[in-house]
Amino acid sequence: GAGVSQSPSNKVTEKGKDVELRCDPISGHTALYWYRQSLGQGLEFLIYFQGNSAPDKSGLPSDRFSAERTGGSVSTLTIQRTQQEDSAVYLCASRRGQLNSYEQYFGPGTRLTVT
Amino acid sequence: ILNVEQSPQSLHVQEGDSTNFTCSFPSSNFYALHWYRWETAKSPEALFVMTLNGDEKKKGRISATLNTKEGYSYLYIKGSQPEDSATYLCASWGDNDMRFGAGTRLTVKP
Repeated sequence: GAGVSQSPSNKVTEKGKDVELRCDPISGHTALYWYRQSLGQGLEFLIYFQGNSAPDKSGLPSDRFSAERTGGSVSTLTIQRTQQEDSAVYLCASRRGQLNSYEQYFGPGTRLTVT
Repeated sequence: ILNVEQSPQSLHVQEGDSTNFTCSFPSSNFYALHWYRWETAKSPEALFVMTLNGDEKKKGRISATLNTKEGYSYLYIKGSQPEDSATYLCASWGDNDMRFGAGTRLTVKP
């Protein structure tokens, strides 16, 4: 596809269950970012991948959150034992990753609701 | 960790008014400043990328300026329309690290 895609678009889950969110970046983009926006909050950085490695995991809010990226392409964000405060829109963005290539392209997001 | 701040947090204007809001960012190790427009239920849309001190960019009724020495950027909207209602995000790129501000939520009343 031409843009960043994310799945599912919406996810409703019960508190305590695990969820997995998927991001397909633009082909050839080596940098990949996960963000989330909770109700009434600004955009919150979660994690950044360069290739398959994550040099910056500083934004992951707890050890229930993990992310991986395989083959320098698809990334999954996993939230274990979900809590109600995890309810948010989770956005993925990708970037070419080359010097002087600053523009991020965003996916449509996954709206997660924890009941 | 970069601290990017935007003000005001929210703004309500009447249709036809011109408005502006601010993004401040650390001026050290600066590479680029982005403005995005984010409408509810859509993904953020890139408006401008600016890299040089004194840069000015314009797209229709929206324009932006950049001061890298003092670490701020202004976004201007001339003759606001209801369809301009959105959250405007700025993000600063420095040291291989990009951070977003919390956004300015603009509501334009008809």
